Amino acid sequence: GAGVSQSPSNKVTEKGKDVELRCDPISGHTALYWYRQSLGQGLEFLIYFQGNSAPDKSGLPSDRFSAERTGGSVSTLTIQRTQQEDSAVYLCASIPDRVSADTQYFGPGTRLTVL
Amino acid sequence: DAKTTQPTSMDCAEGRAANLPCNHSTISGNEYVYWYRQIHSQGPQYIIHGLKNNETNEMASLIITEDRKSSTLILPHATLRDTAVYYCIVPLADSWGKLQFGAGTQVVVTP
Repeated sequence: GAGVSQSPSNKVTEKGKDVELRCDPISGHTALYWYRQSLGQGLEFLIYFQGNSAPDKSGLPSDRFSAERTGGSVSTLTIQRTQQEDSAVYLCASIPDRVSADTQYFGPGTRLTVL
Repeated sequence: DAKTTQPTSMDCAEGRAANLPCNHSTISGNEYVYWYRQIHSQGPQYIIHGLKNNETNEMASLIITEDRKSSTLILPHATLRDTAVYYCIVPLADSWGKLQFGAGTQVVVTP
C-alpha cells in the first residue's frame, strides 16, 4: 500500500519568506508526528496529532512554527518568516490505530533550505 | 529515553548475517527496545521491537538478553540495500511516541 508522502521533496526559500510543508499519512492512521533533522543531527520532535485531541505542540521551537491537520488526515506544517537556522529535513510520521506510538512510519521528508 | 550504546560503524559482506549490538543497561522493566534504520536521504524506517522475548519479522530478528541489558539486531542475509544508519532506542513509557535517536551504527554492506 501507499506509504506516508510529503511534499515538496525539496524547498529553497529566502530568509523571511513563509513556507508550507505537506504530509499525507497512511490512510486510516490516527496519529501524525512532525520532526526535523538537521545535518548530522538526530530527530527533533516538533508536534503531534492524535485523533480529535488537541495537538501536542511542546516541541515547536518558536511561534513562527505552526501545524494543522484537516479532517484527521493531511497535515500542513507552516514556518513563517523563515530563518537560516530553520534549514533542515522535515519529517512526518504516522501511526496505525491500536499499536504503540513508538512504531512509526515515516515519509521521505522535505529538505528545506533557507538562503 | 533510556540511554543506549551502539558501535559507531561496522562493515558486513553481502549475503552474510549482520549482527548489530546495543547496550541498554538502564532499561526499566516495562520499556521496549526498538530498532529503526535510515538509508541515506530517506526517512527513518521501523524495523522491529521487543520487550523480553526474541522477535522475528520479515526484515530482521531481535535477540534480547535475559537480563535485558543488551540486545542484538540480526539481518540474516545482508544486501547492499541494507547499507544505512541503524538506531537502537528505548523510549520512555510516557514519551508518547516522541522518538529520540542517538548516533546509531553506520552499517556498510560491501559486495
